[in-house]
Amino acid sequence: DAKTTQPPSMDCAEGRAANLPCNHSTISGNEYVYWYRQIHSQGPQYIIHGLKNNETNEMASLIITEDRKSSTLILPHATLRDTAVYYCIVPNSGGSNYKLTFGKGTLLTVNP
Amino acid sequence: ETGVTQTPRHLVMGMTNKKSLKCEQHLGHNAMYWYKQSAKKPLELMFVYNFKEQTENNSVPSRFSPECPNSSHLFLHLHTLQPEDSALYLCASSQVMGQFYNEQFFGPGTRLTVL
Repeated sequence: DAKTTQPPSMDCAEGRAANLPCNHSTISGNEYVYWYRQIHSQGPQYIIHGLKNNETNEMASLIITEDRKSSTLILPHATLRDTAVYYCIVPNSGGSNYKLTFGKGTLLTVNP
Repeated sequence: ETGVTQTPRHLVMGMTNKKSLKCEQHLGHNAMYWYKQSAKKPLELMFVYNFKEQTENNSVPSRFSPECPNSSHLFLHLHTLQPEDSALYLCASSQVMGQFYNEQFFGPGTRLTVL
């Protein structure tokens, strides 16, 4: 499966946009990029996923570069409750795309 | 109840005890998962069930025994655990469409302490 690289931590001011980068330079053509987050001591929460095109839902936007080697998760107006570890995941392709390999993710701290 | 529920939320057990963790999903999904999250470690996939059939056992010791009686319920039976098995155990579910497993929805987890 494609490996992802994320910064270990980021800070963001409340009300500002949080932009979380992810590198996945070995991604193959049919592999999706998924984002999850985990608030302390809770189960992970699905945020968004995409293949080629940019995606937006009620939680966030996902911007994928044209070469698909990197992506950015955007929380447009971060709140204190968005403080969490954010995971960028490229599941296995070839029929076993249930394997979510959770790395260390990015700890986003939203400051008042 | 909505989403994915897990009981109990907290469990303390001795090494000779037998206990079970329960997970129930109310999302109409057909795949369910068990994950383990030890302190300061990434989540590790333990088991996967697709339409009640186990499709993945990620080299989990036999002292962990999963059971999936139907697509909505998943159990993890525990016996003769070790203190290093203390962790947060998370259940998840997703919808499988052909070969594609859609996004997973997680429960709140069971915090297990083995004395």
